[in-house]
Amino acid sequence: EAQVTQNPRYLITVTGKKLTVTCSQNMNHEYMSWYRQDPGLGLRQIYYSMNVEVTDKGDVPEGYKVSRKEKRNFPLILESPSPNQTSLYFCASSPQGTGRYEQYFGPGTRLTVT
Amino acid sequence: DQQVKQNSPSLSVQEGRISILNCDYTNSMFDYFLWYKKYPAEGPTFLISISSIKDKNEDGRFTVFLNKSAKHLSLHIVPSQPGDSAVYFCAAESLTGNQFYFGTGTSLTVIP
Repeated sequence: EAQVTQNPRYLITVTGKKLTVTCSQNMNHEYMSWYRQDPGLGLRQIYYSMNVEVTDKGDVPEGYKVSRKEKRNFPLILESPSPNQTSLYFCASSPQGTGRYEQYFGPGTRLTVT
Repeated sequence: DQQVKQNSPSLSVQEGRISILNCDYTNSMFDYFLWYKKYPAEGPTFLISISSIKDKNEDGRFTVFLNKSAKHLSLHIVPSQPGDSAVYFCAAESLTGNQFYFGTGTSLTVIP
């Protein structure tokens, strides 16, 4: 089944404790992206990757890191999480990073930073 | 600064009637516009898209209209069904590609 998987689905952590949210897709997509969803702000793009080893900042990259060492995986790293990073995170993938192709979203990761 | 805006947080419509969801944008350099639907506890799923060179795209019960002079797009759902109850996000792709801007979402409730 074609899908985007994220782990963990739920995470509660404390300020400053490094964490990684994994994202994997099995559709051989070139493009992958991370978003966060917050009430009243909708979905905002954090980082995206056009291909292996090629990443770039989205609208809200501060406090996040990403890497794309393999085509299928695109982990999101929070080196020192803070409470303002409490949010619902979505990973997405697409054949290419253009609106001609739909993005396939993962089920989301709900992160709480205390 | 929100480049894509959905000014109606919620909308209720009777089953069988038309649902119209609206979206405004500020950047005239967007290339593609897309609509996604989101159910609770799931990721968004693609619904329909439109290129900036078109003014209408239709897919079954869903039609998207683009008015470039007004920087406005709308999604029409006809007829509305209870299963359409979800949050709808409009999104825009930057002309350079790869970057996407989403609106704040409109929660649609279709009343049986």
